[in-house]
Amino acid sequence: RKEVEQDPGPFNVPEGATVAFNCTYSNSASQSFFWYRQDCRKEPKLLMSVYSSGNEDGRFTAQLNRASQYISLLIRDSKLSDSATYLCVVCKSRAAGNKLTFGGGTRVLVKP
Amino acid sequence: EPEVTQTPSHQVTQMGQEVILRCVPISNHLYFYWYRQILGQKVEFLVSFYNNEISEKSEIFDDQFSVERPDGSNFTLKIRSTKLEDSAMYFCASSLWVNSSEAPRTDTQYFGPGTRLTVL
Repeated sequence: RKEVEQDPGPFNVPEGATVAFNCTYSNSASQSFFWYRQDCRKEPKLLMSVYSSGNEDGRFTAQLNRASQYISLLIRDSKLSDSATYLCVVCKSRAAGNKLTFGGGTRVLVKP
Repeated sequence: EPEVTQTPSHQVTQMGQEVILRCVPISNHLYFYWYRQILGQKVEFLVSFYNNEISEKSEIFDDQFSVERPDGSNFTLKIRSTKLEDSAMYFCASSLWVNSSEAPRTDTQYFGPGTRLTVL
């Protein structure tokens, strides 16, 4: 089983619509969870950290389900600029110095 | 906003040659990392570095790879004898850790723009 697994997509989303997707992780001891965004041939950029209680940042909502070992991301009112690959990222510890484990990414295409 | 910088943006080299990829982490950060991403594949961890020592390394980071912090600002990745399969985007990242429950979350890793390495 892959350490972090994502549906590669693409998710074709009409502008203004809502899109949601999940990722699953295999290590139940994982402590930190993130969603990064990656544009084509660019570096990953932090979109949001994911907290146990779930959290929201503007149009983006992240949820963590430890029992089922999955993380979700929901994007409301999609903008054309939301088109990107969304990377699910897991870390075994909250301490710094530990490796991030990336999923393969979910590609989202927002169309007019 | 402070950011991680990397040079060069693109490096082309012949198989068997040595390359050094350079990074300037965010100035007050204490932890440094290298990741790589082969075209079309996921981002993979190579190594983390703290207090002039390697903290953790992956199976990819074999004897051909080394890291160094030669001065107070630069962090380098050296590949001694490049192989075709080393062709990838190499990302440097840095993070700051403050061990306090009251501090803002500072385990976030910030990535540089990457160096695209092409081995011919």
